[in-house]
Amino acid sequence: NAGVTQTPKFQVLKTGQSMTLQCAQDMNHEYMSWYRQDPGMGLRLIHYSVGAGITDQGEVPNGYNVSRSTTEDFPLRLLSAAPSQTSVYFCASSPYGGVGTQPQHFGDGTRLSIL
Amino acid sequence: DAKTTQPNSMESNEEEPVHLPCNHSTISGTDYIHWYRQLPSQGPEYVIHGLTSNVNNRMASLAIAEDRKSSTLILHRATLRDAAVYYCILKDRIQGAQKLVFGQGTRLTINP
Repeated sequence: NAGVTQTPKFQVLKTGQSMTLQCAQDMNHEYMSWYRQDPGMGLRLIHYSVGAGITDQGEVPNGYNVSRSTTEDFPLRLLSAAPSQTSVYFCASSPYGGVGTQPQHFGDGTRLSIL
Repeated sequence: DAKTTQPNSMESNEEEPVHLPCNHSTISGTDYIHWYRQLPSQGPEYVIHGLTSNVNNRMASLAIAEDRKSSTLILHRATLRDAAVYYCILKDRIQGAQKLVFGQGTRLTINP
């Protein structure tokens, strides 16, 4: 089973460039989210979605954009990359049922460096 | 979301039990206690969750204090593969969004 797939695994960008981090899940999960993890820190929520066509901001949304046109895909766009966005990005998905018990499934991450 | 407190690091030996503590003194009656772990260079992985009663699964056991202000994740027989950062997270079972609020976690080192 594929689970949550993130591409690319590694990326180097120059300041000011834009790019899209891809996330796809094959479990028909309604809920998907993006986190970033900086060295020595826990994960921080960037954006999340509770279903196709619905997105909302998390803890650190500035500089990022998301859309959810299908249940399977939840891309994260960096509009104009800045060195402060150098981080490891994780995508996660889970069923959505209004009850906070479902475990979240995480991808293996995209390691992004902004020069 | 209510806050959790965990030791920054712990160390244990292979094939011995490991008890990872978590304090959550401001837990509400609707909060589930979730544990995730993150192996090096991987995404977080769900371990276990519980509400009031102790829970067991193939990976670990979760012991919850009677007043629910603390809990302990128990790895019964640690292996080298269990070396990871372990996160204790409170999750409101009523709120619809599945947001997880990660703290610093406990970095577990397993000695051969």
